[in-house]
Amino acid sequence: AQSVTQLDSQVPVFEEAPVELRCNYSSSVSVYLFWYVQYPNQGLQLLLKYLSGSTLVKGINGFEAEFNKSQTSFHLRKPSVHISDTAEYFCAVSDPAGANNLFFGTGTRLTVIP
Amino acid sequence: NAGVMQNPRHLVRRRGQEARLRCSPMKGHSHVYWYRQLPEEGLKFMVYLQKENIIDESGMPKERFSAEFPKEGPSILRIQQVVRGDSAAYFCASSPGTPRNTQYFGPGTRLTVL
Repeated sequence: AQSVTQLDSQVPVFEEAPVELRCNYSSSVSVYLFWYVQYPNQGLQLLLKYLSGSTLVKGINGFEAEFNKSQTSFHLRKPSVHISDTAEYFCAVSDPAGANNLFFGTGTRLTVIP
Repeated sequence: NAGVMQNPRHLVRRRGQEARLRCSPMKGHSHVYWYRQLPEEGLKFMVYLQKENIIDESGMPKERFSAEFPKEGPSILRIQQVVRGDSAAYFCASSPGTPRNTQYFGPGTRLTVL
């Protein structure tokens, strides 16, 4: 069974500073990896996903993530954050060969400080 | 292109009443997933349906909860005899099919049980 760990529940960062949100997963099989963003009182929006191929994945809003198989990590990065990036960020995994459901981490609350 | 639609957005029920949550997938999507988000937690998978079939209900509580996705009309998540612990945000997602396809999330229904 898959599981996802997001070690940081809250990350405050100043505007225009870089940020990294950490995600580690546990799985005995290969996985698909996703990052979703949730703005207050809204649904989840896909930022980016890793299915195969290049380990560096670029997404929307200037975010990117790197799949590291040896460290079972999929950390999310942005070189310069904006106030509008303040939101909850969720890492998720799914099993390519199994059911289609996503396993989510507990989320990281990113707060961008002016 | 309309996204995933959920209604109602907010639902208040007293203990013992029934709650019906509706989800209309994106056009062309025949796969629907329901997730529950408890306060301060990540999303937890509940059930995965295709038209007229429940594919995976491993995340559904054994009692009081049921889901359907009829040939015509929206998918329905039904909670009978609600209790305070059912208070949560319920999200629906849809996809065209395989795990390689992105799940698109609706805005959620926030259920409050008094």
